[in-house]
Amino acid sequence: QVQLVQSGAEVKKPGASVIVSCKSSGYTFTNYAIHWVRQAPGQRLEWMGWINAGNGNTAHSQTFQGRLTISRDTSATTGYMELSSLRSDDTAVYYCARELATVTNGFDYWGQGTLVTVSS
Amino acid sequence: SYELTQPPSLSVSPGQTARISCSGDKLGDKYTCWYLQKSGQSPVLVIYQGNKRPSGIPERFSGSNSGNTATLTISGTQTMDEGDYYCQAWDSSTVVFGGGTKLTVL
Repeated sequence: QVQLVQSGAEVKKPGASVIVSCKSSGYTFTNYAIHWVRQAPGQRLEWMGWINAGNGNTAHSQTFQGRLTISRDTSATTGYMELSSLRSDDTAVYYCARELATVTNGFDYWGQGTLVTVSS
Repeated sequence: SYELTQPPSLSVSPGQTARISCSGDKLGDKYTCWYLQKSGQSPVLVIYQGNKRPSGIPERFSGSNSGNTATLTISGTQTMDEGDYYCQAWDSSTVVFGGGTKLTVL
């Protein structure tokens, strides 16, 4: 069965960086894209960016210009999201989700979410 | 930047039809997806490509898209359908989510 399993909760100080991983299983990893979406407490879903797991192409929201790095390891079938220069308003649950790389089919499987808390 | 606008909340009685709108410039020209997020859980895809249901989603969920508005319709709404509904679309190689609509069934 398809699963996206994310790394555990993190507590970081302002200015630090965080890496969240998303281990995929149960499907052909390189046929899909991995998207990253975050949700601040009580707030809306916010799309961050995505990576085509097959060719490695990425795109991201201008909101995170210069602070966001999305990558993948095809041998480990794992996606990664690194956010740097953390601020208190980066405190949120971070989700990964998959979508077919070639067709807009929606995000049909999601990870369980990773809480990142930024606090001094 | 592209924006999708949803009503913040909607309340219906069990068995009634719920219609949740999502508006954006020329949204009818784009594929729209809808997600349900229950409290404390990850979102679940309920409609993709405007009007298609993923496997396992009940037939009472349907979608339509025309002009500047996409609509999610839940026929015969049940209490288990409560939660936050988000629309989503692609625009210029980026993804946009609506602000979400809190559906209450009581």
